[in-house]
Amino acid sequence: GENVEQHPSTLSVQEGDSAVIKCTYSDSASNYFPWYKQELGKRPQLIIDIRSNVGEKKDQRIAVTLNKTAKHFSLHITETQPEDSAVYFCAASYNTDKLIFGTGTRLQVFP
Amino acid sequence: AAGVIQSPRHLIKEKRETATLKCYPIPRHDTVYWYQQGPGQDPQFLISFYEKMQSDKGSIPDRFSAQQFSDYHSELNMSSLELGDSALYFCASSPSAADTQYFGPGTRLTVL
Repeated sequence: GENVEQHPSTLSVQEGDSAVIKCTYSDSASNYFPWYKQELGKRPQLIIDIRSNVGEKKDQRIAVTLNKTAKHFSLHITETQPEDSAVYFCAASYNTDKLIFGTGTRLQVFP
Repeated sequence: AAGVIQSPRHLIKEKRETATLKCYPIPRHDTVYWYQQGPGQDPQFLISFYEKMQSDKGSIPDRFSAQQFSDYHSELNMSSLELGDSALYFCASSPSAADTQYFGPGTRLTVL
């Protein structure tokens, strides 16, 4: 079955800096890759997603890149703000079916 | 906009008791997913339903069962509860089996 690895597990940045989180998936059939932000005790919230027919997608300060050959995808957050502090999960699935999540990255943005 | 509704939001049970968690998907969403998230863990897929039929099954214990009803709401039934079942249980819905999943607020289950 699908397995998703996520790095780093924790990431601390200064406000205004960029943050990059990387994920690797194992199943080449996976074609949908969402990123979720989760605050403590709250629901995962979709922040951006990408499908395998696209190499990059951007939404304001957030961008995701996908390398199908290498089977990895990355989340880029620019101009980080303290409210970006949360746990970020990548996930992979086939046709947006069941999501297989990475182990999460705890991002801390210091003012 | 309407969101996924889960009830109850918090539930405290004793070992060996049973629990029923309910999920009401976003209107016109016909697909429901259940995930379990232990403390400090990532969400783990349990089971999914599409048009009231089970569509996939993950790491769901035999003590758990679930179904989707004619109004598309879903219930997760958990029996012989164990301490290790303490977790956040999320339900997610999507407009079809091939679309974005939207998560509900979760049910926090504590087994004492």
